[in-house]
Amino acid sequence: AQSVTQLGSHVSVSEGALVLLRCNYSSSVPPYLFWYVQYPNQGLQLLLKYTTGATLVKGINGFEAEFKKSETSFHLTKPSAHMSDAAEYFCAVTYSGAGSYQLTFGKGTKLSVIP
Amino acid sequence: DVKVTQSSRYLVKRTGEKVFLECVQDMDHENMFWYRQDPGLGLRLIYFSYDVKMKEKGDIPEGYSVSREKKERFSLILESASTNQTSMYLCATSRPSNFAEAFFGQGTRLTVV
Repeated sequence: AQSVTQLGSHVSVSEGALVLLRCNYSSSVPPYLFWYVQYPNQGLQLLLKYTTGATLVKGINGFEAEFKKSETSFHLTKPSAHMSDAAEYFCAVTYSGAGSYQLTFGKGTKLSVIP
Repeated sequence: DVKVTQSSRYLVKRTGEKVFLECVQDMDHENMFWYRQDPGLGLRLIYFSYDVKMKEKGDIPEGYSVSREKKERFSLILESASTNQTSMYLCATSRPSNFAEAFFGQGTRLTVV
């Protein structure tokens, strides 16, 4: 069974500091990996995704993530945090040939940005 | 823009009531999903559907059922609401591909009293 672990349910950074949100997955087959963001009282929206090819993926709002197969990781980064980045972030995984197209989500990391 | 619309943002129901949560999409997506979201537990899949009249159980289907009579509409039914079903419910849609993006509705915050 596929699974995703997000380290840290709550992360605080200062405005302008590096944002690093951690995600590790378990897999015996190549995964497809996603990061979603949820702003307060809203649904989720896609930040970025990795399918195949380039392992460094760029997304919206200056975020990027790097797929590292040897570490089974897909950490999300942003060089300089902005107040508007305060939200909850979810890592998700699915697999080639899964058939049912289900996404398995991590438990989420709430990002706070301190002025 | 893809639009996934959930019928209510906030809902308060009594224990034992039958509750219907409606989700409508305008993008002709084959797949539709219902998740519940609870603090510290992330999103958990209740049911999904990959075609009209087709449904599959997710990770936590107990106490729920679904209906998909038309491609654009996917309903979640709580047969007899209980307080432990108080939660945020999220509907999502996607095309039939493993790496297709899922599009989410705004969510329905259901409180069962």
